[in-house]
Amino acid sequence: DQQVKQNSPSLSVQEGRISILNCDYTNSMFDYFLWYKKYPAEGPTFLISISSIKDKNEDGRFTVFLNKSAKHLSLHIVPSQPGDSAVYFCAASAWNSGGSNYKLTFGKGTLLTVNP
Amino acid sequence: DSGVTQTPKHLITATGQRVTLRCSPRSGDLSVYWYQQSLDQGLQFLIQYYNGEERAKGNILERFSAQQFPDLHSELNLSSLELGDSALYFCASSVFAGGGNEQFFGPGTRLTVL
Repeated sequence: DQQVKQNSPSLSVQEGRISILNCDYTNSMFDYFLWYKKYPAEGPTFLISISSIKDKNEDGRFTVFLNKSAKHLSLHIVPSQPGDSAVYFCAASAWNSGGSNYKLTFGKGTLLTVNP
Repeated sequence: DSGVTQTPKHLITATGQRVTLRCSPRSGDLSVYWYQQSLDQGLQFLIQYYNGEERAKGNILERFSAQQFPDLHSELNLSSLELGDSALYFCASSVFAGGGNEQFFGPGTRLTVL
């Protein structure tokens, strides 16, 4: 059961344009959502997060939007730069059933290519 | 550089063998997580330790085990290896055990089982 889904395996955009990466989730108990970026041969690096009590969080060129009713979040990158080319993972966290710990659940990732 | 180190970077072994992957968390981080990334799969959470104690288990096989030592480094032991165990194994660390905590990932260990 895939609780976090990134339905687009890849996305290609032109430099300077907007990149929109999408993520859907099924578990209404998720209370934090995070985006990670991963370059080849490196581990994922944290990009931006949003609490479930908010609908928008912005950090420079990166903005994450959360639509709880639709169980959907998106990452906007404006303007896109060639250095943004990477795999982007959406992740969501929630307490486990025993209430003793958090667990991060990742999507399968979207490969973003920004063309010069 | 995330501050999380993993050794070895690459590991090639045969089916039926046992290997140990090592992870050193960022200085000050008490929580260590292990993830597996197979081809066409996202990051699958395996197990988490916090200050030496197991805190959460994910999709970890019984052939796999882990521990966190008093100096907070962690080891992931994989035994009776199968071809399907070939994957990237990531370790991550965070200060606390949850709460939207940012996890810092190491560069990963690529395991190839022949």
